[in-house]
Amino acid sequence: GAGVSQSPSNKVTEKGKDVELRCDPISGHTALYWYRQSLGQGLEFLIYFQGNSAPDKSGLPSDRFSAERTGGSVSTLTIQRTQQEDSAVYLCASSLVAGGQSQQYFGPGTRLTVT
Amino acid sequence: ILNVEQSPQSLHVQEGDSTNFTCSFPSSNFYALHWYRWETAKSPEALFVMTLNGDEKKKGRISATLNTKEGYSYLYIKGSQPEDSATYLCAFNAGNNRKLIWGLGTSLAVNP
Repeated sequence: GAGVSQSPSNKVTEKGKDVELRCDPISGHTALYWYRQSLGQGLEFLIYFQGNSAPDKSGLPSDRFSAERTGGSVSTLTIQRTQQEDSAVYLCASSLVAGGQSQQYFGPGTRLTVT
Repeated sequence: ILNVEQSPQSLHVQEGDSTNFTCSFPSSNFYALHWYRWETAKSPEALFVMTLNGDEKKKGRISATLNTKEGYSYLYIKGSQPEDSATYLCAFNAGNNRKLIWGLGTSLAVNP
């Protein structure tokens, strides 16, 4: 079946603008995760969803970041008033269930560049 | 603070060489250890999810071992091929808190 998809694949935006990143998980996967990788850094957890609820938002770097998931499927990550330090690859992953032993399936990522 | 360390940071080998690298993680409150492979311009791909001390898993020429008491896992690649060139990431989960803590990865380049 189809894997995890993300759009756009690349986004260049001006500092101060808002951006929306989209993730389509694998059908039937109840858990969805957002990560980002900044240049020279490891994968940084941002938020995860179990169904439509987000039990752990601890990784969101600031209140400019928000995410939602609707219908237990598609998720959007919104960054308001983007800053240059937001430039990174944003990865989405899904798993059948949320859990430390659940294999996560990753999308191709969105490369965000803030100029 | 939970910290996952991987070594070496990068590795260059010749085609046919066997190689291995290390993932170190906290030995307390262990729940799971994941290995992923991330090729340039592709999505990270799961290799193994390891849960039990002494686990050994194998997928083709790639295998992994796990020591939860001392907090390390080894990934082995036998007879490296150019298509094995990628970054190999490990991620640690403590206490099933749903969050994976990631290492920075080992970047492997296999020269033909």
